[in-house]
Amino acid sequence: EPEVTQTPSHQVTQMGQEVILRCVPISNHLYFYWYRQILGQKVEFLVSFYNNEISEKSEIFDDQFSVERPDGSNFTLKIRSTKLEDSAMYFCASRARGGVITEAFFGQGTRLTVV
Amino acid sequence: AQKITQTQPGMFVQEKEAVTLDCTYDTSDPSYGLFWYKQPSSGEMIFLIYQGSYDQQNATEGRYSLNFQKARKSANLVISASQLGDSAMYFCAMRVTGVGSGSARQLTFGSGTQLTVLP
Repeated sequence: EPEVTQTPSHQVTQMGQEVILRCVPISNHLYFYWYRQILGQKVEFLVSFYNNEISEKSEIFDDQFSVERPDGSNFTLKIRSTKLEDSAMYFCASRARGGVITEAFFGQGTRLTVV
Repeated sequence: AQKITQTQPGMFVQEKEAVTLDCTYDTSDPSYGLFWYKQPSSGEMIFLIYQGSYDQQNATEGRYSLNFQKARKSANLVISASQLGDSAMYFCAMRVTGVGSGSARQLTFGSGTQLTVLP
């Protein structure tokens, strides 16, 4: 069964360093998302991406964050200068099509720890 | 803005019994989808079931069913014949059409319910 794949599963980085979280969405899916989940808290939306551009972003997704789909298969989230409060589980998700009732499939997550 | 409320931080159920996880939502958008996801201790998010706001019948998927009561704005998840492997965090989520938002609308999640199945 096709699945969303995220790498790495766990990343530890020093405050101020840049990190790139990688995702391979399900092929032929058109809509891509990043969410994050701070430990013990709810899942929060960061950004959506469609047709090679950002479709929507939350107020969390400030200038320190960026997304790319460089080669038609990978979908990356970059955090330029990490802060302690960026420590969280980051989930990539993809959907086959638009509309309200199409389910999103999530990757297994990348646990980012900023020290 | 839309909101999802899960009022049960933790629930316990005996193996083989049925359990209902509550979810209420708030939106002024007439077109929306409601979703349930399971998050085991390993951390991944597993899609379980969805319900569209215009669906006349409650959704079912194996041992999962969604008790959709539109007038009450509730979308409770019912798990029948609980198994030990059902122990996990369960999240209710919603997506609305929105105005001028395009089709890439994101999910809004509730705070989750930690379900523990007892042997």
